[in-house]
Amino acid sequence: NAGVMQNPRHLVRRRGQEARLRCSPMKGHSHVYWYRQLPEEGLKFMVYLQKENIIDESGMPKERFSAEFPKEGPSILRIQQVVRGDSAAYFCASSPRGTVSNQPQHFGDGTRLSIL
Amino acid sequence: GESVGLHLPTLSVQEGDNSIINCAYSNSASDYFIWYKQESGKGPQFIIDIRSNMDKRQGQRVTVLLNKTVKHLSLQIAATQPGDSAVYFCAESGGSNYKLTFGKGTLLTVNP
Repeated sequence: NAGVMQNPRHLVRRRGQEARLRCSPMKGHSHVYWYRQLPEEGLKFMVYLQKENIIDESGMPKERFSAEFPKEGPSILRIQQVVRGDSAAYFCASSPRGTVSNQPQHFGDGTRLSIL
Repeated sequence: GESVGLHLPTLSVQEGDNSIINCAYSNSASDYFIWYKQESGKGPQFIIDIRSNMDKRQGQRVTVLLNKTVKHLSLQIAATQPGDSAVYFCAESGGSNYKLTFGKGTLLTVNP
């Protein structure tokens, strides 16, 4: 079974450019979560999506960040006009159901975003 | 100037010894807890979970203990192997049923 697939694994952008991070959940999973990790820190929740719906985006900055999970295709985390502080590892997780209980979230290997 | 990152708590053990990694949480509403293992350059890998109606759960070579009175969680790894070297995170649901809150992590180093 393929796990959660994220691409690209590494992404370098200059300040002011746009970054697009993609996530394909595990087969049969319709719930996707995005987290951000700074060096030597735990992951911080950003957004939770189901197909075509944003359920909770309370952890996402109000400006420049957006996320979608279309009916067809991967989930996309989009960062516009990137700044140095956006440099981090971005992880996607998926689960078959929205509730965590009995079905832990399974993570991809992340996209490491570096801003020059 | 640029801030210096906080250093992770570290645990160094000899191969074959048992390891105990601890985690404190603050949200008394949390009812689900997970331990993840993260190797360098990889995403968090699920190890074991426990619900708040339990105080102990065992897996293969791992045991999780939950003390709700003092809001403490521990992961015990039996007969630690070099392949166990990684950063270990506890995570809790915080009552949201989906939003995981991660601890800072503990770096486990296994010496051969």
